[in-house]
Amino acid sequence: GPKVLQIPSHQIIDMGQMVTLNCDPVSNHLYFYWYKQILGQQMEFLVNFYNGKVMEKSKLFKDQFSVERPDGSYFTLKIQPTALEDSAVYFCASSLEHNSDYTFGSGTRLLVI
Amino acid sequence: AQSVDQPDAHVTLSEGASLELRCSYSYSAAPYLFWYVQYPGQSLQFLLKYITGDTVVKGTKGFEAEFRKSNSSFNLKKSPAHWSDSAKYFCALENTGANTGKLTFGHGTILRVHP
Repeated sequence: GPKVLQIPSHQIIDMGQMVTLNCDPVSNHLYFYWYKQILGQQMEFLVNFYNGKVMEKSKLFKDQFSVERPDGSYFTLKIQPTALEDSAVYFCASSLEHNSDYTFGSGTRLLVI
Repeated sequence: AQSVDQPDAHVTLSEGASLELRCSYSYSAAPYLFWYVQYPGQSLQFLLKYITGDTVVKGTKGFEAEFRKSNSSFNLKKSPAHWSDSAKYFCALENTGANTGKLTFGHGTILRVHP
């Protein structure tokens, strides 16, 4: 079936640096999401994005986080600057509409050192 | 605030047995409920969902789940289990009120099916 691709699969970065996580959603999907999973914990909602705008963000979505999808290219999550507590697996997802089937990517494992 | 509980971190059984993975939820309104499966190194794959209507929903890979409003549960079932069902399973709830596609996940249950 259709897939969500996440690039890179792993990233190691020095604390304080900027990182951009890339997501290539399913081509006809309109809604995009980021989730964060710290090792051993459950996956938690960060943000969703539709029609070029953030619709809802959780308290985990700090001011250092931003999302965009310029001109239908990658849906990105940027963290600037990074902190140690940002180390986690970040999952991207997309859907055609709400309450439909959400397609998830394999995740980007981010390690901030 | 809504929450999802998967009380069993690990479930182990033999191939051919019946499996049931437990999920309970807390939510003030009628929930949308999902089950996803994650194989090692892969993404979450959709199994099934309950939106409304028939309380027993059938999904992919031979799985089904029953929505029980009386005890706020949405347990996943399959019979017989196969060794290839070994994976991590996540139950999730969607906030129907806000209509934003925000999923609340449980911690997941690791299923091991011995051949």
